[in-house]
Amino acid sequence: EAQLVESGGGLVQPGGSLRLSCAASGFTFSTYWMHWVRQAPGKGLAWVSRINSEGSSTSYADSVKGRFTISRDNAKNMLYLQMNSLRVEDTGVYYCARPAVPGTSNAMDVWGQGTTVTVSS
Amino acid sequence: SFELTQPPSVSVSPGQTGSITCSGDKLGDKYVCWFQQKPGQSPVLVIYQDSKRPSGIPERFSGSNSGNTATLTISGTQAVDEADYYCQAWDSRIGYVFGTGTRVTVL
Repeated sequence: EAQLVESGGGLVQPGGSLRLSCAASGFTFSTYWMHWVRQAPGKGLAWVSRINSEGSSTSYADSVKGRFTISRDNAKNMLYLQMNSLRVEDTGVYYCARPAVPGTSNAMDVWGQGTTVTVSS
Repeated sequence: SFELTQPPSVSVSPGQTGSITCSGDKLGDKYVCWFQQKPGQSPVLVIYQDSKRPSGIPERFSGSNSGNTATLTISGTQAVDEADYYCQAWDSRIGYVFGTGTRVTVL
């Protein structure tokens, strides 16, 4: 069974940094594009970033462009999100998600349980 | 920027049919997914490519997409269907966009 487990969330001051990790298991990680999606407290879902299966192509939401970096280690079945210059509005639950079909980017059918990021002084 | 608008809430009686709309400019030209999210849980994909159901999703969930509006329909609504629902669209120009979300109440 495909499974994603996020970690690395926590409390950080504005302007600080945090690195989120997502451990994948139960599927051939290296063949899937991957996403990060976040959800502010009491709010809706918001796409953050995606990376292609090789790690050679990335894309970001305008709200995080230049501050966040997505990466992956296919040998370790790991997805990462490096978050710098964090703002209060970055607070929320961060999910990693996998599309349904290898080599495609849409229809996220496997989601992790989420890791909580709180940006506050 | 591209936006997807959903009604904040929809109420449905048990056993009845309920529909959730998702509106966006020329949405019918894009593929739409629908996600169900229950409190404290991760989202679950219930419809992809406008109208396809993933394995394990009950047949009472169906979708359509045309013009500027996509619709998720729940037939024979059950109490377990009470949740928040989000549409999501993608294309190479807009990227990945989620709708504003709709809370479905079964009463």
